[in-house]
Amino acid sequence: DTEVTQTPKHLVMGMTNKKSLKCEQHMGHRAMYWYKQKAKKPPELMFVYSYEKLSINESVPSRFSPECPNSSLLNLHLHALQPEDSALYLCASSQTGTSETQYFGPGTRLLVL
Amino acid sequence: GENVEQHPSTLSVQEGDSAVIKCTYSDSASNYFPWYKQELGKGPQLIIDIRSNVGEKKDQRIAVTLNKTAKHFSLHITETQPEDSAVYFCAASIPGEGGSARQLTFGSGTQLTVLP
Repeated sequence: DTEVTQTPKHLVMGMTNKKSLKCEQHMGHRAMYWYKQKAKKPPELMFVYSYEKLSINESVPSRFSPECPNSSLLNLHLHALQPEDSALYLCASSQTGTSETQYFGPGTRLLVL
Repeated sequence: GENVEQHPSTLSVQEGDSAVIKCTYSDSASNYFPWYKQELGKGPQLIIDIRSNVGEKKDQRIAVTLNKTAKHFSLHITETQPEDSAVYFCAASIPGEGGSARQLTFGSGTQLTVLP
């Protein structure tokens, strides 16, 4: 089973709202990733957690705040977003941070009004 | 850093024909090359991958070839079907330094349309 789940599937929020995206995997993977994908573009890496510690932060604005409560869960807390942050947010996982193969979830479609 | 170029950006084929998508990479340290298929409204799905110690890999109707000298790799889909219609992304990955996490560098994507 190579399933990564994400909730919610869709999210609409105003620029003053606070919301969270959730990602879960039960494959025993120890690395988890957040990507942002705009329409007709490839995914862009935002954050990498390896063994529940933030390993990579690709200069993402502070209005995006990742959290890894345990090895199966990854959250992305959103606050004071801008309309240009509207995108598909993808979570992925791999066996470890140095492992090659990443498995993606279905994504959360975010619209910021 | 690594740079991956992917061509063509759009590809239309008749059902039953073959489709080929090509990618080139810049960093000779890249040693892992996955291909992802992304259907509308879904996340990328890994369909095949190849490591630098292998020149070709096949899985039913899908094959990937790698030319390390020329730094390019290609996806071949034979006997295409309408359900093959999707966006395909190639990617290249370099081992992280000092055991740090690997990162995938994606190509720009190819919209494949299989016409019935």
